[in-house]
Amino acid sequence: SAVISQKPSRDICQRGTSLTIQCQVDSQVTMMFWYRQQPGQSLTLIATANQGSEATYESGFVIDKFPISRPNLTFSTLTVSNMSPEDSSIYLCSVGGLAGTETQYFGPGTRLLVL
Amino acid sequence: GQQLNQSPQSMFIQEGEDVSMNCTSSSIFNTWLWYKQDPGEGPVPLIALYKAGELTSNGRLTAQFGITRKDSFLNISASIPSDVGIYFCAAPDKYSTLTFGKGTMLLVSP
Repeated sequence: SAVISQKPSRDICQRGTSLTIQCQVDSQVTMMFWYRQQPGQSLTLIATANQGSEATYESGFVIDKFPISRPNLTFSTLTVSNMSPEDSSIYLCSVGGLAGTETQYFGPGTRLLVL
Repeated sequence: GQQLNQSPQSMFIQEGEDVSMNCTSSSIFNTWLWYKQDPGEGPVPLIALYKAGELTSNGRLTAQFGITRKDSFLNISASIPSDVGIYFCAAPDKYSTLTFGKGTMLLVSP
């Protein structure tokens, strides 16, 4: 497994502003992902963060709203842009490809409330 | 897109009881994963299944990969209060991206 940390752990933001969430891993990993978990719901994949190239977004998520950076194999950021109350969610990063398995390991999440 | 149908949605049981939950899909998968999420935390992997018919245990947890490769179940034996949480099934596509079920919330009464 890997040790994954996220910053901030939680935040309260005003609508129209942007928040950047950081994800740090204690070892180099091939695959990093960003998920959203709306209140009382399951996890939905936002995008795969690709090192050295643009992220791969899932249907319903676009780069202008959720820009992602991945400058190296241990770090990624997700920005939630021009926020509205509907963006209030838990945002989780995960890593995969460890030991050649399909299992992903998750960070503790960032709890975002947009007023 | 692919969907995983997980049931039951929630369960409220007495400590010591056994629990069973399952996940089905109309799609075939080569891997099934089970996760547990505690309040305020990210999901933690419990069991991974890689072969149709495979039965795998992790302590009091047992999971099986269905023969048709379209379903999986998770059993918890002799439940204890710390088993409380939300249990998710998940399966990867060919790009290793995970689809999650909607989760089963488990409450255990001491």
